Amino acid sequence: DIQMTQSPSTLSASVGDRVTITCRASQSISRWLAWYQQKPGKAPKLLIYKASSLESGVPSRFSGSGSGTEFTLTISSLQPDDFATYCCQQYDGHPWTFGQGTKVEI
Amino acid sequence: QVQLVESGGGVVQPGRSLRLSCAASGFTFSNYGMHWVRQAPGKGLEWLAVIWYDGSHTYSADSVKGRFTISRDNFKNILFLQLNSLRADDTAVYYCARDVGKYDQGVFDFWGQGTLVAVSS
Repeated sequence: DIQMTQSPSTLSASVGDRVTITCRASQSISRWLAWYQQKPGKAPKLLIYKASSLESGVPSRFSGSGSGTEFTLTISSLQPDDFATYCCQQYDGHPWTFGQGTKVEI
Repeated sequence: QVQLVESGGGVVQPGRSLRLSCAASGFTFSNYGMHWVRQAPGKGLEWLAVIWYDGSHTYSADSVKGRFTISRDNFKNILFLQLNSLRADDTAVYYCARDVGKYDQGVFDFWGQGTLVAVSS
């Protein structure tokens, strides 16, 4: 199975900060990577797919980059609604696997 | 709007069975692959199983293969997950999620709110 490792596990930030989260795959997954946002007690929400494609309705302050084994999710200017946990997911092949998540907190 | 509503969770003893349901509305259910994903308390997401739009193909994670079975009813717009031989480490919130395509592209664009399964004696 492809292992997905995120860093950091927790990130303390303030409104207006630029935030970057890293996701590393244990083998190359080309650009088959998605990012999700999850708030406590809520279902995950798709933010980005194919490493850098923004899902419809997602604010443009979210962006993704990378290919192969290293990927990043960037929030250009953190908003109050963005305090949540973010996780990456590879879909290069079965079984699809997720990172352990990065909690963005104040 | 797209809605996925899971049901069927609860407290169950080890070794017993449970069937989860996911009622879909707001889209043409029979046009999409569907998945089950779970999240154990305080842990990350774990993909469990997928079923193609027409039910012709299914794939499962090794951790649940032979114990969990995914199925669907395209007439009633319901996705199912049959959970057998439950163990304590199956305790989790179980989500159904829609694939972006008919088959198993592996991107989940809509999720339900989840149903909690707690396995305990």
